[in-house]
Amino acid sequence: GAVVSQHPSWVICKSGTSVKIECRSLDFQATTMFWYRQFPKQSLMLMATSNEGSKATYEQGVEKDKFLINHASLTLSTLTVTSAHPEDSSFYICSAGQARGGSYEQYFGPGTRLTVT
Amino acid sequence: GESVGLHLPTLSVQEGDNSIINCAYSNSASDYFIWYKQESGKGPQFIIDIRSNMDKRQGQRVTVLLNKTVKHLSLQIAATQPGDSAVYFCAESPNTGTASKLTFGTGTRLQVTL
Repeated sequence: GAVVSQHPSWVICKSGTSVKIECRSLDFQATTMFWYRQFPKQSLMLMATSNEGSKATYEQGVEKDKFLINHASLTLSTLTVTSAHPEDSSFYICSAGQARGGSYEQYFGPGTRLTVT
Repeated sequence: GESVGLHLPTLSVQEGDNSIINCAYSNSASDYFIWYKQESGKGPQFIIDIRSNMDKRQGQRVTVLLNKTVKHLSLQIAATQPGDSAVYFCAESPNTGTASKLTFGTGTRLQVTL
């Protein structure tokens, strides 16, 4: 149980175009999902917290108009990178969690490799 | 701001030996700590967690130690295997039971030699 999927697993796009990445919790419902970005040989940096039915909460320095997040259902959150540029090339990872035994466990998706040419 | 960091960027261990990966955190209000394993090109995989009211927790071949006095967290892997080769991250959260964002450390690459 507790599987999180992402689609696509990798994508190449041209500079100036937009790309949508999907994050799904396959066997549980998640009112909250998180989006991270990871550059090569670096750690995961939280971009935003996605809340079902409400606006996402963005971390300082993350442009909300560039990284659009939509959490339309309890099993799906999407991240759209608008007007992508080469510096947006990165590994984007989502997580979803559920309360279990007094803890809140986060499960990570397999990631989406974005390359902007 | 608050951060979670690691002492060693790369750790090389011979197969069969024990591995110890360390992490220092600075947020004294942290309530929940997690260790993740990340293989190349994949998302982080949960290994083990520990709450701030504990100082030790054991899993299968892994043990996490928490020293709140010096704000130090460690992951011990017994009888390290080639499949353990990966990057290991510690992560910290202010709350245990609710949806809270995680702050990740810088990561340690574990290399298992034959």
